[in-house]
Amino acid sequence: DAGVIQSPRHEVTEMGQEVTLRCKPISGHDYLFWYRQTMMRGLELLIYFNNNVPIDDSGMPEDRFSAKMPNASFSTLKIQPSEPRDSAVYFCASSRQVVSGNTIYFGEGSWLTVV
Amino acid sequence: GESVGLHLPTLSVQEGDNSIINCAYSNSASDYFIWYKQESGKGPQFIIDIRSNMDKRQGQRVTVLLNKTVKHLSLQIAATQPGDSAVYFCADLYNTDKLIFGTGTRLQVFP
Repeated sequence: DAGVIQSPRHEVTEMGQEVTLRCKPISGHDYLFWYRQTMMRGLELLIYFNNNVPIDDSGMPEDRFSAKMPNASFSTLKIQPSEPRDSAVYFCASSRQVVSGNTIYFGEGSWLTVV
Repeated sequence: GESVGLHLPTLSVQEGDNSIINCAYSNSASDYFIWYKQESGKGPQFIIDIRSNMDKRQGQRVTVLLNKTVKHLSLQIAATQPGDSAVYFCADLYNTDKLIFGTGTRLQVFP
């Protein structure tokens, strides 16, 4: 199994530009999570999907952030317009059935720098 | 609301010693906790979990202790090795499908 695949691994962009982060969950997994990690705030849950439907987006910081899951094998997290404070590592995770912590698998993250 | 946090941001130990990483939580309704390990440049990986009906659970070289009275849990790593150097997070699986992380403790292992 290839695991959760995220792209790009690293991105540097200028303030005001649109950023799109991509995630391919593990095949057969029903849940998909987007997290943001910073030194100051740690790992924050932004949004999660169940069967492609957004269940809880209360962690999305503001309207500049949006996430979609058009099908079971693909999700995007978009920031428009981007700001320097959006610089962070963005993790995608997936799970077949979230009943225990060891069913959740994380990707290796997308490192975003907004200058 | 749910809140999971760590006592110490950095812990330095000598190789071969035991490590203890602490975590406090505020939601008395929390009933399931997980410890994750995050190595540099990677995503978090599951280490061990514990449910609130248990006080202690052991894995390979790791033990998690839960004290519900003071809302505290700890991760003990026996005979710490250089490969244990990482950031460790406790997390609370809230409402069975929201994984909420604490701020993390960095473990540094010196030879």
